[in-house]
Amino acid sequence: ETGVTQTPRHLVMGMTNKKSLKCEQHLGHNAMYWYKQSAKKPLELMFVYSLEERVENNSVPSRFSPECPNSSHLFLHLHTLQPEDSALYLCASSQEVVGNSYEQYFGPGTRLTVT
Amino acid sequence: TQLLEQSPQFLSIQEGENLTVYCNSSSVFSSLQWYRQEPGEGPVLLVTVVTGGEVKKLKRLTFQFGDARKDSSLHITAAQTGDTGLYLCAGSNTGNQFYFGTGTSLTVIP
Repeated sequence: ETGVTQTPRHLVMGMTNKKSLKCEQHLGHNAMYWYKQSAKKPLELMFVYSLEERVENNSVPSRFSPECPNSSHLFLHLHTLQPEDSALYLCASSQEVVGNSYEQYFGPGTRLTVT
Repeated sequence: TQLLEQSPQFLSIQEGENLTVYCNSSSVFSSLQWYRQEPGEGPVLLVTVVTGGEVKKLKRLTFQFGDARKDSSLHITAAQTGDTGLYLCAGSNTGNQFYFGTGTSLTVIP
């Protein structure tokens, strides 16, 4: 049990659908992240929120839209996705360990399949 | 880009054998994390090292942070089938920035 939950765990959607992924962290952290993990590729950072403000957006297509209403919740809104967007989407939160050192905790992920 | 290279990329060993996985970078990190990920699940944090030269032990796993804080190693003694998974290293610096390695996929054969 990591303290970071994600729903749904599995999602199949057509290219014209609109859906949202939800992440919730129960660890009191103040930073949250969305990552994409495709088969045989390194983790790709998509978005970072610190204190509910977006601090990083790694050239992610506009069909992915993040939302962070408070420090415990993070959403990823999806619309008009492409088949190549099929992947495991991971949410994480982080805390400072000591003196600018941080560690991340991940949720179990949402396996997304775009048909 | 602060790239972290892990080696080997794939490793298949017999139960009971020892192994070492490496994580190397040309960049200095204030801390480094190791994770294990099973198929279809999120990475699980194993350890965080913050001091150059630091060695941490977690049962049969030994983690070392290089003196210059650019590299790290993970040594597993007497591997078990439950050690099978994808091992990821991640370096972090000031702020909430994390840079992930390319991963080592370990299979322990009974």
